[in-house]
Parts: sequence; structure tokens; C-alpha cells
Amino acid sequence: DTEVTQTPKHLVMGMTNKKSLKCEQHMGHRAMYWYKQKAKKPPELMFVYSYEKLSINESVPSRFSPECPNSSLLNLHLHALQPEDSALYLCASSQVTAPLNTEAFFGQGTRLTVV
Amino acid sequence: AQSVTQLDSHVSVSEGTPVLLRCNYSSSYSPSLFWYVQHPNKGLQLLLKYTSAATLVKGINGFEAEFKKSETSFHLTKPSAHMSDAAEYFCVVSGAGNQFYFGTGTSLTVIP
Repeated sequence: DTEVTQTPKHLVMGMTNKKSLKCEQHMGHRAMYWYKQKAKKPPELMFVYSYEKLSINESVPSRFSPECPNSSLLNLHLHALQPEDSALYLCASSQVTAPLNTEAFFGQGTRLTVV
Repeated sequence: AQSVTQLDSHVSVSEGTPVLLRCNYSSSYSPSLFWYVQHPNKGLQLLLKYTSAATLVKGINGFEAEFKKSETSFHLTKPSAHMSDAAEYFCVVSGAGNQFYFGTGTSLTVIP
């Protein structure tokens, strides 16, 4: 199984709502990622978890809150978002190998629209 | 530090003609390099990877890439373009700290 599963595929939320994005992988990967992608742009790194611990936070606003409950799951909790947060949110995972990681496997993404 | 430069933001080819998407990298050490493809509103799919084994790497769907250390390049090629190849392509280099560095992407159009 080389799949990263993201739910939901589409999400529309108001600026006062609270919602969560979910990501799951069963490849035994110990690094998991959240990326944000705007149209016609490359993915922008938001967070990296390594062995279930947050290792990188790319100065993301606190209205985005990541959580890694176990080695297979990654969540992104959303609260009080702004319309400019509308984007495709991608989850990815990779093995942790020294000195450089192997390839990342990406989910199909969640298309988020903030109204 | 690691970085990637994709030299063309847009490439247009006729169906059945060769494809060349150019990528140059900068890395403090021997890099791991990847090419990903993204169709509209989809996730990224790995086409191929270089991880210090053979310099000519074959991937899926007839794509291949050659790692040239002297030129710091990792260009993606395909002998004959198909309509289904129309997509966005990203060149990516792996860095320390579990990070991946993306190029700005090349949009490939295939003309029937």
C-alpha cells in the first residue's frame, strides 16, 4: 500500500467555523507533512512531523493547528480562517533515512474554500 | 543549502514529439532529486527519483532523467509526448531535516 489518504476531498467553511483535515498512511513512514498550494504555484511547506513530534513549523498562523496522534495519522485543525487561506492542502509522508529522505508520497489533497 | 531552478515556466509540444523539461539544482552535498507530476486538482505523483545510483533514471509513463553533476542538472525527457502528459511538473531536491525543496514548476501543454 503506497497510498496517502486525505479526507475530506472538498471543504467549504465560514470564517467562524472549526474544521479538521485528516491524513492517513500505512507505509510505516515516520515523517509526515502538511503543504499549502495555491493555483499555479508549487506546494509551500507548513509543518513537518518526525517520529510524531513537530520538527518544522514554517511560521504558520496559529489558526492552523497540526496534530499527529500516532505514526499513521496527521490532522490539521482549522479555526477562524480567512478567505486567503483558500487553497489545496496536501499531506505527504516519507521514510526518515540518513542523510537525506527518500521520496515523499502525496495524498490527493483537500480543496478548501473559506467564505 | 538546497535549491532547485526550473528553467521554463511553460513548455508546449506537439503530440508525438519529444519532451524536455529542464531543472538545475544547488546542493551542499550529494543530492536526492525527484520529478513529480500534478494533474489539475490532484496530488503529486512521483515520476522518478535519483538517489546516487545510476545517473540515467527511468520512471513511469516513458519518462526518464539524467543526473549530470558537472552541469548540476536533472532534466526530464520523454521521446514522444501523449495528450495525457499535459500537466504541471515539479523538480524537487531533498534536504536535511526531512525537507523537500520544490522548483516553481513547468506547465506542459501537448498540442494534438
